[in-house]
Amino acid sequence: NAGVTQTPKFQVLKTGQSMTLQCAQDMNHEYMSWYRQDPGMGLRLIHYSVGAGITDQGEVPNGYNVSRSTTEDFPLRLLSAAPSQTSVYFCASSYLAVYNEQFFGPGTRLTVL
Amino acid sequence: DQQVKQNSPSLSVQEGRISILNCDYTNSMFDYFLWYKKYPAEGPTFLISISSIKDKNEDGRFTVFLNKSAKHLSLHIVPSQPGDSAVYFCAASEVDSNYQLIWGAGTKLIIKP
Repeated sequence: NAGVTQTPKFQVLKTGQSMTLQCAQDMNHEYMSWYRQDPGMGLRLIHYSVGAGITDQGEVPNGYNVSRSTTEDFPLRLLSAAPSQTSVYFCASSYLAVYNEQFFGPGTRLTVL
Repeated sequence: DQQVKQNSPSLSVQEGRISILNCDYTNSMFDYFLWYKKYPAEGPTFLISISSIKDKNEDGRFTVFLNKSAKHLSLHIVPSQPGDSAVYFCAASEVDSNYQLIWGAGTKLIIKP
């Protein structure tokens, strides 16, 4: 099992560009989520999904879109990148949202110039 | 307003001794707490969790203590080993927020040989 995979590992964007961060898991987990981690702060939830076709906003959703067409994939789209979106992005999955440990991908380090 | 606080950015402990990492929270509705460990350039990995109906949970060298009246939890690692050097995050969730995790900023643990 590959677990949770994320691509790319690193990305540099110019302000205003759009891109998609990819996330996939092969554990048949229903729950998937996207976090961002900024220096000196904990992880903050951007969007999450409790199953295919169902998504919801987390703590910091502005500027990001998600979709969940399959159980395995949960891409995160930056619509118009801003320097404030410079961060490390983590995707995670778990069998259930409730009281379940989440498995994390290795992260994508994004810089917006 | 930080709901989960880890007030020590770093902690240095001698190998073989006990490491104690602390976490305070402000939301009395939190009913589940987790500790994650993170190495550089990797995603967080789950360590141990505790429900609010308990005050202690053990898993090998790791023990988490919960003091609900003080809104405080701690992670004890005994004995500390060099591989324990990492950043440790505590996180909390409540049923009314769909179990979204709220994370502390992390404590960097350094185990000295």
